[in-house]
Amino acid sequence: DAMVIQNPRYQVTQFGKPVTLSCSQTLNHNVMYWYQQKSSQAPKLLFHYYDKDFNNEADTPDNFQSRRPNTSFCFLDIRSPGLGDAAMYLCATSREYLAGYEQYFGPGTRLTVT
Amino acid sequence: QKEVEQNSGPLSVPEGAIASLNCTYSDRGSQSFFWYRQYSGKSPELIMFIYSNGDKEDGRFTAQLNKASQYVSLLIRDSQPSDSATYLCAVGGSQGNLIFGKGTKLSVKP
Repeated sequence: DAMVIQNPRYQVTQFGKPVTLSCSQTLNHNVMYWYQQKSSQAPKLLFHYYDKDFNNEADTPDNFQSRRPNTSFCFLDIRSPGLGDAAMYLCATSREYLAGYEQYFGPGTRLTVT
Repeated sequence: QKEVEQNSGPLSVPEGAIASLNCTYSDRGSQSFFWYRQYSGKSPELIMFIYSNGDKEDGRFTAQLNKASQYVSLLIRDSQPSDSATYLCAVGGSQGNLIFGKGTKLSVKP
């Protein structure tokens, strides 16, 4: 089945210790998104890639970076995690970056910062 | 600031009843509307999308859109305990971005 996969499902890191979360997709979609979701809040878009073109949201902290080495994979790097970065990180994909195209989410990575 | 508003709930309905979830949005130019279901600790799952005014039915789910009132709703017929989740309304922006509401928590009591 075509799908969006995230690894790891749970990640524990120490304050200030860099961490990388990964996402892969078998849907062959052009667009990959990274969202941050905290408890009882809406998912917050951090950035997206259209193919290899990177698009950062204006309010995404510099502490968050992303890489997309090929169509299938995308990584979220948190350079110096703070306690406030503890959240669920969601990867999503869509066929195109146009109004009306659905986004499909992976299972998420729950990040804990100690 | 483009916004999507939902009543946070919890909305509690008995098993077998109709659950009605509502959403309003601020951007009159929005053209696409989505409902996601999110179980506790899980990721959002797309269950319905609607682009045109009126109703769209899929099994026990009906999405309703009224662009003049900037209002979209989701009806769940014959509600089951397995429908207990948070339902996120998402509105398509002018490009490919989605603006999410905070969600309505639904509880279906056996």
